[in-house]
Amino acid sequence: NAGVTQTPKFRVLKTGQSMTLLCAQDMNHEYMYWYRQDPGMGLRLIHYSVGEGTTAKGEVPDGYNVSRLKKQNFLLGLESAAPSQTSVYFCASREARGPNLYNEQFFGPGTRLTVL
Amino acid sequence: GENVEQHPSTLSVQEGDSAVIKCTYSDSASNYFPWYKQELGKGPQLIIDIRSNVGEKKDQRIAVTLNKTAKHFSLHITETQPEDSAVYFCAAPDPAGTASKLTFGTGTRLQVTL
Repeated sequence: NAGVTQTPKFRVLKTGQSMTLLCAQDMNHEYMYWYRQDPGMGLRLIHYSVGEGTTAKGEVPDGYNVSRLKKQNFLLGLESAAPSQTSVYFCASREARGPNLYNEQFFGPGTRLTVL
Repeated sequence: GENVEQHPSTLSVQEGDSAVIKCTYSDSASNYFPWYKQELGKGPQLIIDIRSNVGEKKDQRIAVTLNKTAKHFSLHITETQPEDSAVYFCAAPDPAGTASKLTFGTGTRLQVTL
C-alpha cells in the first residue's frame, strides 16, 4: 500500500496563477483533510471531507476550493494564487469510526508551494 | 472551537537525557489527545495517543500524561537518541464537530545533541 500520496512535491507559481494539488489514498478511508503548515503556526485545517461528494470548511478556507468526486481522491485548488499562500500543504486521511471516535490521521509527504 | 497551546517551541537535550513537551487545551469535552512526530521533509506521523479515561500511557521510551482537571497533557521521552530529533505536535479534537477535526499545537522542535 502506498498510503497517502500527494502531487506535485514542489511548485512555484506567480501571483494570480491557478493550480490544483492532488491527494490520493489507498486505505479506503472516509475522512480526508487538507492542512497548511507555516513556521511557528503548526498545522491549520483548510478544508475537509467526511465522504465522497462532501466537503466542508476548516479554520483557514479563504482562497481555496476542494472537491471529493472519488472516495480515494481529495483535490485542493487555488484559483488565484497569492504570496500569502506560500506554504507546505499536507493531506491526511483517516478511517471513520463514528463522530466522536477518534483515531489516527495518516499524512502524505507534503507539497511545498511558493507563490512569487 | 478548541484552542491548543504548546511549549516550548524549541528544546535541546543531550543524548540520554529526558525531554518533556507540554500542551494545554480549552474545551473540557475533549477526550482524545494524540502526539505526532514530523521528521525533516516528511509528513507528521502518530507516535502515541491517550484517551480521557486514562491518566498515563507508555510505549517503550515515550509516555503521555493527561490531567483533565487542569486541561493539560504532556509528552515524555526518556533516554533520548539522535533519531528523536524532529518536530513534535500535540493535538486535541473539536468535540462539537462530526469529522473528528483536530486542532494542532504550534509544534516543538526537539534537538538531541551528542
